[in-house]
Amino acid sequence: AQSVTQLDSHVSVSEGTPVLLRCNYSSSYSPSLFWYVQHPNKGLQLLLKYTSAATLVKGINGFEAEFKKSETSFHLTKPSAHMSDAAEYFCVVRQEGSQGNLIFGKGTKLSVKP
Amino acid sequence: EPEVTQTPSHQVTQMGQEVILRCVPISNHLYFYWYRQILGQKVEFLVSFYNNEISEKSEIFDDQFSVERPDGSNFTLKIRSTKLEDSAMYFCASRKTSGGAGGELFFGEGSRLTVL
Repeated sequence: AQSVTQLDSHVSVSEGTPVLLRCNYSSSYSPSLFWYVQHPNKGLQLLLKYTSAATLVKGINGFEAEFKKSETSFHLTKPSAHMSDAAEYFCVVRQEGSQGNLIFGKGTKLSVKP
Repeated sequence: EPEVTQTPSHQVTQMGQEVILRCVPISNHLYFYWYRQILGQKVEFLVSFYNNEISEKSEIFDDQFSVERPDGSNFTLKIRSTKLEDSAMYFCASRKTSGGAGGELFFGEGSRLTVL
């Protein structure tokens, strides 16, 4: 069965320092992977997606993620955190054979200290 | 920028009451979804809807739940007789394209349901 595991429930960084949010996936085929962000009292917004093209995917707001099949990972990174990056981040895999059904990780809450 | 809108943003109801959550998907989208997130838990798929019928549903989506698109605009989720465990944030989403790679889901801001 497909799944995603977000290794950290909470990550805290200082403004201007790098961000690393970890995600490992489990899938028997080449998956479609996504990162979504949820700011307080807001909906889920797509940050970026991997769909078997380039393994390094660039998203909005300076985020990027690298698909590593050998490590079954899809970690989200950003070189320099902003205060506005504070939010909850979800790693997501599309369910195989479905019409877009998504399987969510538990989420990682990112805090950014001034 | 087009967006998915949901109403109400928060609804409080008594156990056993019927609840209807409303969503207006993006106008040229073809696929519609409901997800829910119980506090402290994962976002879970409930149901997908295409061509005026349910295309897939999860185990959570039992006989107490129903969806419809009555007027080609609104997409509603009805819970016939709410239980305490239905308390959650319910997210509507829509998608333009058919299956395969890509085809981003656009989510609304959610409707928080509290069952007392």
